[in-house]
Amino acid sequence: AQTVTQSQPEMSVQEAETVTLSCTYDTSESDYYLFWYKQPPSRQMILVIRQEAYKQQNATENRFSVNFQKAAKSFSLKISDSQLGDAAMYFCAYAPNTGTASKLTFGTGTRLQVTL
Amino acid sequence: EAGVTQSPTHLIKTRGQQATLRCSPISGHTSVYWYQQALGLGLQFLLWYDEGEERNRGNFPPRFSGRQFPNYSSELNVNALELEDSALYLCASSLQGASNTGELFFGEGSRLTVL
Repeated sequence: AQTVTQSQPEMSVQEAETVTLSCTYDTSESDYYLFWYKQPPSRQMILVIRQEAYKQQNATENRFSVNFQKAAKSFSLKISDSQLGDAAMYFCAYAPNTGTASKLTFGTGTRLQVTL
Repeated sequence: EAGVTQSPTHLIKTRGQQATLRCSPISGHTSVYWYQQALGLGLQFLLWYDEGEERNRGNFPPRFSGRQFPNYSSELNVNALELEDSALYLCASSLQGASNTGELFFGEGSRLTVL
């Protein structure tokens, strides 16, 4: 069974600084999708960024980028120029290519605090 | 355009009672997913409905059940409530074709407290 591990329950970053959230996963599949979802306090969870395993290039969405290391099964999220609105719970997730969203496996989350 | 809406926002029940949670997907989305988010455990997949049918089920006992209506809205029922059922229940929706990419659109959740 696939597992997703987020070893940092909480992280803190100062406004305008850069922070990296870690995620590792375990799978025997060669093709799959990886995601970072953001859950702000009392608001909907939203997709931040998605990476397809067959693509070597790391995904980037504005201030958010990933460091995808397939061999190491590592998928970290880098947030640059952190803003107060980035404060949220961040979940790393995995989905097999042949599966559907019903086979999404989530990590336990990392709570990010952004300080002035 | 309205997002995924869930009701009620909060629900307090006692052990042994039944809870019913409701979800309306984004217009045009046919797939609805239910997740349980217990403290410190991330999101656990409960159920997936598409076109009115249950398509997949997570590792939860049969007292967790639900249905999807012709307008694609969905209901989650939890019977014989236990203390450990206390959690945030999240509903998400997607287009059927997009579901393989894992992009889900979530509601704000219903917080169930079992006393």
